[in-house]
Amino acid sequence: DAMVIQNPRYQVTQFGKPVTLSCSQTLNHNVMYWYQQKSSQAPKLLFHYYDKDFNNEADTPDNFQSRRPNTSFCFLDIRSPGLGDAAMYLCATSRESGLGNEQFFGPGTRLTVL
Amino acid sequence: SQQGEEDPQALSIQEGENATMNCSYKTSINNLQWYRQNSGRGLVHLILIRSNEREKHSGRLRVTLDTSKKSSSLLITASRAADTASYFCATPSSGGSYIPTFGRGTSLIVHP
Repeated sequence: DAMVIQNPRYQVTQFGKPVTLSCSQTLNHNVMYWYQQKSSQAPKLLFHYYDKDFNNEADTPDNFQSRRPNTSFCFLDIRSPGLGDAAMYLCATSRESGLGNEQFFGPGTRLTVL
Repeated sequence: SQQGEEDPQALSIQEGENATMNCSYKTSINNLQWYRQNSGRGLVHLILIRSNEREKHSGRLRVTLDTSKKSSSLLITASRAADTASYFCATPSSGGSYIPTFGRGTSLIVHP
């Protein structure tokens, strides 16, 4: 089945230790998104790739970076995780024509920072 | 910036009852989406309604859109315990019509 896969599902890291979360998709969608979601809050968009074009949200900290080496894969790098970065990280994809289309989400990676 | 706001924040009902959630937004939109999120999981798309549509159905789900009032509602009929989840509305952000912005969601609990 076509899907969005996130690895790992649970990630524990130490304060200040770089961590990378991965996302892959078999849907061949042109847009990939990374969201941060804290408990009982709305998913907050960090950045997205429209094809190869990287789009950073204005309030996304520099501590967060992303890579999209090809259509199928996208990575979220947190260079120096702080306690406040503990959250669920959601990857999503969509096939966009500029009119708005449904997003397909992965199951998320729960990040714990010790 | 957060575009849509869901109401109520929490809803608790008995199995078999209907559940209604509302979403209000601030600026003109060309589409509005509803998503469901089970605890600790990713979001699942439910329905997309475009600005020229007033009502849409999908199984036990009914979504309405009133662009004059800048509001939408999601009705779940004959609810089941498995409907227990958080429900989010998503509207296009100002940065681009294809980028959805999510509200805080309505937490629905359906008691068996």
